[in-house]
This record gives sequence, C-alpha cells and structure tokens, in this order.
Amino acid sequence: AQSVTQLDSQVPVFEEAPVELRCNYSSSVSVYLFWYVQYPNQGLQLLLKYLSGSTLVKGINGFEAEFNKSQTSFHLRKPSVHISDTAEYFCAVCRAGGNTGKLIFGQGTTLQVKP
Amino acid sequence: DAGVIQSPRHEVTEMGQEVTLRCKPISGHDYLFWYRQTMMRGLELLIYFNNNVPIDDSGMPEDRFSAKMPNASFSTLKIQPSEPRDSAVYFCASSLRGGSQPQHFGDGTRLSIL
Repeated sequence: AQSVTQLDSQVPVFEEAPVELRCNYSSSVSVYLFWYVQYPNQGLQLLLKYLSGSTLVKGINGFEAEFNKSQTSFHLRKPSVHISDTAEYFCAVCRAGGNTGKLIFGQGTTLQVKP
Repeated sequence: DAGVIQSPRHEVTEMGQEVTLRCKPISGHDYLFWYRQTMMRGLELLIYFNNNVPIDDSGMPEDRFSAKMPNASFSTLKIQPSEPRDSAVYFCASSLRGGSQPQHFGDGTRLSIL
C-alpha cells in the first residue's frame, strides 16, 4: 500500500518570495507522483506529475517538483510566488504501471501568500 | 471542452432525508471517482468505476451510502438516510485509462445535513 505525508499543514510566505511545499511518500513498489492545487470553492486541478525519466518536473504557473527516490520525497517549489498562488496544495501517489488510477492523497498544505 | 459537471452545487437538508448527488464525467473518460472532503479527514476516496462497473467501494462509509453509474455519462451518489456527520464537500472526478493519466475534478457539492 502507498501513503503520503505532507509535512506542513500551513505555509505563510510573502509575495515574490520562494516557497517549498514538502511531500514524502511510502511505497514498496514504483509509483507515479502528482501535485494538485485547490482554489477556494473549486475542485482540484493538476499542477504537475512525475511518471518516469527526468527527476525535475515542471508544471503550470511556474511550479516545479523534484523526485528523490532515495529520500522518497517529491517537494514542490516556486522561485517567486504571487498572491494568486494562495490555495490548498495536495500531493498524491498511485502505483506505477497499474491502470486503476487510484490516488492516495496527502492531507494538504495551505499556502498563504501575504502582500 | 466541458469539464466534470456536478449538481447540485449546494444542498441543505434535514437529517433522515434522502440525498442524491449527480455527476457527468468528461466525454470519453472511462474512470469515475467519488471523493468526500472534510476538515477532519481530508480527501477520501469513496468509490470508483471503470467502464461503468464499480471496482473498489472500500471507502464507502456504510450501507447508507450507495453509488451507481447507469451509463458512461452519468453517475449518482445517494445517502439514505442522511445524518449530520455526512456534511462535507463531495467531489466527482474522471480520467482516461487511469494510472498515469490525471484525474479531472468537478467543482463539488457542498452538503449540509441539519
């Protein structure tokens, strides 16, 4: 079975500062990894995903994440945040190669960007 | 392209009443997922379908909950009888082929049971 731990429930940061949202996962098999964003009163939207290959993955809105197999981590980063990045961010994992698409989500991290 | 469409967006009802939540997935998607989101428990997968067939319903909390997918373009989640602890935001999501393909979420139904 897979599990996901998001290490910070809330991350306050000032506008134009860099940010890192941390995600660790646990799995005995290979996995696919995802980051989703949820804006208020909306559903989740895909930010980026890691399937295989290059460990640095770039997504929408200037976000990127790095897959680290030895540390079982998939941290999300952005070099300069905007007020509009204020949202809930979810890390998710599913078993690689399977066709179920059953995602295991972390508890979420609230990113609060202050002016 | 139309995304995943859920209705109603908000539902307020009294304890004991039957509640029906509806979902129209993206055309062509063969996986459909129902989730529940609460502050206490986060995002929980309730059930998912592949080609209209329920594959895993281990997340359905109890017999009061049931889900159906009569065809590729429609699914329902029913709660009967409803209880205050069922209050949550319920999301429907769909994906193509599952696995590496991302899930596309609807905007959710905010359910309040009084």
